[in-house]
Amino acid sequence: LAKTTQPISMDSYEGQEVNITCSHNNIATNDYITWYQQFPSQGPRFIIQGYKTKVTNEVASLFIPADRKSSTLSLPRVSLSDTAVYYCLVVPHSSASKIIFGSGTRLSIRP
Amino acid sequence: GAGVSQSPRYKVAKRGQDVALRCDPISGHVSLFWYQQALGQGPEFLTYFQNEAQLDKSGLPSDRFFAERPEGSVSTLKIQRTQQEDSAVYLCASSLGAGQVNTEAFFGQGTRLTVV
Repeated sequence: LAKTTQPISMDSYEGQEVNITCSHNNIATNDYITWYQQFPSQGPRFIIQGYKTKVTNEVASLFIPADRKSSTLSLPRVSLSDTAVYYCLVVPHSSASKIIFGSGTRLSIRP
Repeated sequence: GAGVSQSPRYKVAKRGQDVALRCDPISGHVSLFWYQQALGQGPEFLTYFQNEAQLDKSGLPSDRFFAERPEGSVSTLKIQRTQQEDSAVYLCASSLGAGQVNTEAFFGQGTRLTVV
């Protein structure tokens, strides 16, 4: 299973765009990149998933370069409620597979 | 309910006691996962079910941990002879499909187990 590396923590301010980069040098051809968000005392919540290039939904954008060895989660105009831990995962494309979480990035948003 | 439900939310057990943690996944979801999350750490995989079949139990830390999903719906994680190092939040997740691609996993709020 491909291991991911991401910053332990990041700080930003309300209204700013936040970009969290994750490296996954050993990603396999059929692996997908997935990001989850976790608030205190709650389970993780799916944010976005992608394979290559760019994916955008109502919450975030995910940028994946051609070599797929890294990815960047972009949160536009963050608010205080975006303070959470963000996990980058590489998900194997198989019918019976576990998803492995790393330590995540603790994002703190200040007024 | 619409989401994954776990019970109890909090459990205090004396060392050596057996505990059973329940997970009610979203109706119709094929896949079910159990995770253990220590304070300040990311969730650690324990086991995975596809319907009633336990396809992966490689993350269970010892033979004191046992999970079942007999009818392919509700799942129970049982820990026998609890020890202090078992103290953690136990998370359950379910997903619609048999894999993880294009099918997000929905997590419950977890059960916080404290062994004293």
